[in-house]
Amino acid sequence: QKEVEQNSGPLSVPEGAIASLNCTYSDRVSQSFFWYRQYSGKSPELIMSIYSNGDKEDGRFTAQLNKASQYVSLLIRDSQPSDSATYLCAVPRRGSTLGRLYFGRGTQLTVWP
Amino acid sequence: EAQVTQNPRYLITVTGKKLTVTCSQNMNHEYMSWYRQDPGLGLRQIYYSMNVEVTDKGDVPEGYKVSRKEKRNFPLILESPSPNQTSLYFCASSPLNEQYFGPGTRLTVT
Repeated sequence: QKEVEQNSGPLSVPEGAIASLNCTYSDRVSQSFFWYRQYSGKSPELIMSIYSNGDKEDGRFTAQLNKASQYVSLLIRDSQPSDSATYLCAVPRRGSTLGRLYFGRGTQLTVWP
Repeated sequence: EAQVTQNPRYLITVTGKKLTVTCSQNMNHEYMSWYRQDPGLGLRQIYYSMNVEVTDKGDVPEGYKVSRKEKRNFPLILESPSPNQTSLYFCASSPLNEQYFGPGTRLTVT
C-alpha cells in the first residue's frame, strides 16, 4: 500500500459547485496533513494544513480529517475556474525527522464556467 | 519577501556536462529538500538536509549530489547528467513539516 493515495481524476465540476478531493494514508500515527495546489508548470503551494480530527475551514476551502478511517479530504465551495489545478495531499514520512513529506500523485481539478 | 529561489529556471544541456542548480531560502528554515517531478510519477524526493553539513538520501538519489555549507543554500549537483534526468526540479524548505517550494527548474538533457 502506498503511503499516500489520491484519486487521480480528472475531476470536473461546474462553476459554483462543491469540489471534493480525497486522500487516504497508510501510517496510523501520522499527526499532520497538508494540501497543496499546483497550477500547470508552477510549483506546489501550501493551501491547507490540518492536525486534528474534524473540519478546518479557510475561506472557500475546508479540510476534513478522519484519523480512524485514515483519510483526509479537501472541499472547495463555490468553485471558480481559477481553482482549476492539480491538488496534492502530503503526510510526514513514517519514522522520519521533521521536514520530510510523502506526496500523493495529485488529483487534477477542472472547473468549467 | 519570504521565498525560496532557484537558478537557473530553465536549462538545456548535453549528456555528461556537469551542472549545478542553486537553491536559496531567506526564511531561516532548518530543513531543505530537492524533488523531481515527472508525469505520472508525482513528486519524488532526491535529497534532504536537516541542517548545515547534514544531508540524507531521498527516494531517487542516484546521479545527484548535494551540499549544505550554509543554512540558506542547498545546491543540487549533477556530475554527469543523462537524458533520464530530464525533469522538473523543485527545491523546498521547511520550518517543521510543511514545505515551501521554489519556482522550479526545468532541465532538459540531450
